[in-house]
Amino acid sequence: EAQVTQNPRYLITVTGKKLTVTCSQNMNHEYMSWYRQDPGLGLRQIYYSMNVEVTDKGDVPEGYKVSRKEKRNFPLILESPSPNQTSLYFCASSLVGGVYEQYFGPGTRLTVT
Amino acid sequence: GIQVEQSPPDLILQEGANSTLRCNFSDSVNNLQWFHQNPWGQLINLFYIPSGTKQNGRLSATTVATERYSLLYISSSQTTDSGVYFCAVEYPDSSYKLIFGSGTRLLVRP
Repeated sequence: EAQVTQNPRYLITVTGKKLTVTCSQNMNHEYMSWYRQDPGLGLRQIYYSMNVEVTDKGDVPEGYKVSRKEKRNFPLILESPSPNQTSLYFCASSLVGGVYEQYFGPGTRLTVT
Repeated sequence: GIQVEQSPPDLILQEGANSTLRCNFSDSVNNLQWFHQNPWGQLINLFYIPSGTKQNGRLSATTVATERYSLLYISSSQTTDSGVYFCAVEYPDSSYKLIFGSGTRLLVRP
């Protein structure tokens, strides 16, 4: 089944404890992206990747890192999480950036205390 | 920047009723998608529809790109249709990010 998977789905952590949210797609998509969803602010792009080893900042990259060593994986890294990073996170992918449908993962609900 | 406006913001239906959700956007777009966010937060792709009309069961969508709007039709609504419906358009810059509207929150009562 074609899908985007994220792990973990739910995470409660403490300020400053490094964490990684994994994202994987099995559709051989070149483009992958991370969004966060917050009440009243909608979904905002954090980082995106056009292909392996090609990543760039979205609208809200501060406090996040990403890497794209393999085509299928695009992990989101929070080196020192803070409470303002409490949010619902979505990974998305599409065949190629632009003019193609984007597929979203199931979301990761992160709480930083 | 591109503005995406959805209406109505909230909608309450009795099971079995039909409804139309609207999405207006302010500029030419490459990509328009409709999503349903279920009560567990998952974003479910409904339609990829930059232009034209598509149907999938009780749902159908129409995008008139020249007039910068899209419509999502829900017929014979069911309680499982409840949730938030988002329209998202792709901004024509290099990041290919989707810009989401603020959504229509739908509640279908039994």
